[in-house]
Amino acid sequence: KNQVEQSPQSLIILEGKNCTLQCNYTVSPFSNLRWYKQDTGRGPVSLTIMTFSENTKSNGRYTATLDADTKQSSLHITASQLSDSASYICVVSAGGNQFYFGTGTSLTVIP
Amino acid sequence: DGGITQSPKYLFRKEGQNVTLSCEQNLNHDAMYWYRQDPGQGLRLIYYSQIVNDFQKGDIAEGYSVSREKKESFPLTVTSAQKNPTAFYLCASIDRGRNYGYTFGSGTRLTVV
Repeated sequence: KNQVEQSPQSLIILEGKNCTLQCNYTVSPFSNLRWYKQDTGRGPVSLTIMTFSENTKSNGRYTATLDADTKQSSLHITASQLSDSASYICVVSAGGNQFYFGTGTSLTVIP
Repeated sequence: DGGITQSPKYLFRKEGQNVTLSCEQNLNHDAMYWYRQDPGQGLRLIYYSQIVNDFQKGDIAEGYSVSREKKESFPLTVTSAQKNPTAFYLCASIDRGRNYGYTFGSGTRLTVV
């Protein structure tokens, strides 16, 4: 069964600290994996997209990694800011119209 | 700037009433999607359309209807048959190019009063 699981479900960190969010998937075949940031009451915005051959991709303070062998991805946030408070959603594409969503990690950054 | 526009941002519906959520895109994307988001749950697919005048049911299509008369527009009607319509609704379109993936609208929050 094609599934995407994210952990932790929620996370609270102090401003300035680093954190890592996890995404494990069983989707096959694999086309790409995206991390989205969703602010409360807004639509998700793409942070990174990774294909099979990419191991690491950065977007500012966000760094995503992908291990296609173990079917795991992580999103590392460096020097967190209050504006990083949001839900982070992992979406895996199997190609065509097949997209599988994780339930997201809710991140709260406190001063 | 290209993007997806959803309106209204907030919508209130009375029991037994049909309401229509608007979704317009100027990205020249062929495929468009409607998702429903409930607290603590992942996005669930309501309907999608890959081409004008064609659309397909998603996982939770009951109580919803769509039309795709123009490439740019994909409105969603929440009918009175949808018994629990209070949710956040997201419209999206697909870039089938190199960065294959969704572009989302900013969402519509529908509340039954």
